[in-house]
Amino acid sequence: DSGVTQTPKHLITATGQRVTLRCSPRSGDLSVYWYQQSLDQGLQFLIQYYNGEERAKGNILERFSAQQFPDLHSELNLSSLELGDSALYFCASGQSFGSTEMNTEAFFGQGTRLTVV
Amino acid sequence: AQSVTQPDIHITVSEGASLELRCNYSYGATPYLFWYVQSPGQGLQLLLKYFSGDTLVQGIKGFEAEFKRSQSSFNLRKPSVHWSDAAEYFCAASSWAAGNKLTFGGGTRVLVKP
Repeated sequence: DSGVTQTPKHLITATGQRVTLRCSPRSGDLSVYWYQQSLDQGLQFLIQYYNGEERAKGNILERFSAQQFPDLHSELNLSSLELGDSALYFCASGQSFGSTEMNTEAFFGQGTRLTVV
Repeated sequence: AQSVTQPDIHITVSEGASLELRCNYSYGATPYLFWYVQSPGQGLQLLLKYFSGDTLVQGIKGFEAEFKRSQSSFNLRKPSVHWSDAAEYFCAASSWAAGNKLTFGGGTRVLVKP
């Protein structure tokens, strides 16, 4: 158990809909990262939040957005869903307060499998 | 641009035989390097990581990896494969300066023959 919790585990929704994926990081971790794993694109970094603020952005579509709340949990919002958004979405956490450059491991949740029909 | 390449998409190995998975990276400076394993329907489990120091890194489940700066490589090895090692393996790189976000290779699927 990595200590990172993602809900829901599975989600089936129709095209055009909006969904919210939730991530609870490991206790004390300030950073939350979102990744998308799809058959055609592989594992891609979407976005990172650090202590409530956006820190880095990757290949995240404009239809997607995320936020990190004061309690450090994070949500990834996917809107106007298309068939191609079907993928496994991972959340990872790391960089506990006071962590050094040598403590940069990211811990992954089990993922949310999104199926758009 | 930062990139990680895993040249082998599939590898089939007999149980008890040795395994080597290749990984090459392209980064501005020496990145932090990782190997993750993903079993079917599961999340990503960290096998081992390299930050600095000894270039031969030991990990869990009997895996090891060797960092070779001159070749920009970080190959994963296991001397004797078990059937339970059948999974997909991902090499990844990150850097402190880039906020530790991971850049993943395309993955290598390992099949183990009895």
